[in-house]
Amino acid sequence: DTGVSQDPRHKITKRGQNVTFRCDPISEHNRLYWYRQTLGQGPEFLTYFQNEAQLEKSRLLSDRFSAERPKGSFSTLEIQRTEQGDSAMYLCASSREGAMLYFGPGTRLTVL
Amino acid sequence: AQTVTQSQPEMSVQEAETVTLSCTYDTSENNYYLFWYKQPPSRQMILVIRQEAYKQQNATENRFSVNFQKAAKSFSLKISDSQLGDTAMYFCASAYSGAGSYQLTFGKGTKLSVIP
Repeated sequence: DTGVSQDPRHKITKRGQNVTFRCDPISEHNRLYWYRQTLGQGPEFLTYFQNEAQLEKSRLLSDRFSAERPKGSFSTLEIQRTEQGDSAMYLCASSREGAMLYFGPGTRLTVL
Repeated sequence: AQTVTQSQPEMSVQEAETVTLSCTYDTSENNYYLFWYKQPPSRQMILVIRQEAYKQQNATENRFSVNFQKAAKSFSLKISDSQLGDTAMYFCASAYSGAGSYQLTFGKGTKLSVIP
């Protein structure tokens, strides 16, 4: 069991640029979640996949955000036209059936 | 909607002592789970302990135990024999199964420092 991995671990970008993050869940986990954590806050839910289907999206996920999980394995989260307010830690988590979520190390985004 | 409140932004405890972190929550759901997650500095979030709301017995995991008061909507974490490695942010979270997912709602966290 290799755990949830995320790439890159850190990303610095200029305002207005697009960024894409990748998450590789634990191999037998069919559920995948994206969360965002800003400084001094707990993580906030962004979106949820069951296999390749995106079943839930938070209102925090503006039109500039898009997430995919094309083959029900890894997932990508893209942010277009980044803004300084997008600076945060982006966490991915996966699970099998039930409420046991396993988190990855996160991607820290800094928008200059 | 669910809310989770952690009223202690920071706490400290002497090594080998016991500390209790507080958490209250609000939910209209009948079937839900409660969690404590630990996030060490610059490291990933890991699950400390989990409680199913329908279970009356308080969950325990080695040095970690909870005091689950369902009527009061309170879910505190007790850490016994505190160790330096327990230094971390601790997040209380709740989850219910909506549309098949288990979205976690987190509190703002309590920063715990274990002092040698």
